[in-house]
Amino acid sequence: GQNIDQPTEMTATEGAIVQINCTYQTSGFNGLFWYQQHAGEAPTFLSYNVLDGLEEKGRFSSFLSRSKGYSYLLLKELQMKDSASYLCAVSVPDSGNTPLVFGKGTRLSVIA
Amino acid sequence: NAGVTQTPKFQVLKTGQSMTLQCAQDMNHEYMSWYRQDPGMGLRLIHYSVGAGITDQGEVPNGYNVSRSTTEDFPLRLLSAAPSQTSVYFCASSADRGQETQYFGPGTRLLVL
Repeated sequence: GQNIDQPTEMTATEGAIVQINCTYQTSGFNGLFWYQQHAGEAPTFLSYNVLDGLEEKGRFSSFLSRSKGYSYLLLKELQMKDSASYLCAVSVPDSGNTPLVFGKGTRLSVIA
Repeated sequence: NAGVTQTPKFQVLKTGQSMTLQCAQDMNHEYMSWYRQDPGMGLRLIHYSVGAGITDQGEVPNGYNVSRSTTEDFPLRLLSAAPSQTSVYFCASSADRGQETQYFGPGTRLLVL
């Protein structure tokens, strides 16, 4: 089976840095996505990693280690609007009915 | 571009009723999919389509039908609604099955009594 693990909830302070981890065990790997989902809204794309290393995009960075089955999303200079759920998803080749497997999401609360 | 649109936004059904959730995209994407999102369960794939005329089952297909007569539209039909189908339903599209960004519609919140 395919399995993705993320912490359920995290809390961080405005202006701080937070790291959201994701570990995966899947039958194959074509890439890893991070999505942001505000309460009551649809998920929106944040980042995509297919090779090992760090991808930086403004205040958000995403890291991947394929050998360890591990990724993290790093959010810097946290703002109140960053309070949302963050979904890790792995693209699995030749997986039949689960081409993109989502984790259950990490709900981040940013406090003043 | 409107992106991915879904109707209705909210729906209340009685057990046993049928209905169709509409989904359309104007990005000429070949791949479209339907997910349901339940508390503590994450997004689960119901059905997907890799192009017009081609559909396939996802992880949780029971109780749902789909069709793909055009590239743009991908409706989801609930045949006989059950309380277990109370959920938030998202339609998504992408240029490719797994390696391209998925764009999600705004969602349909369904309550089955």
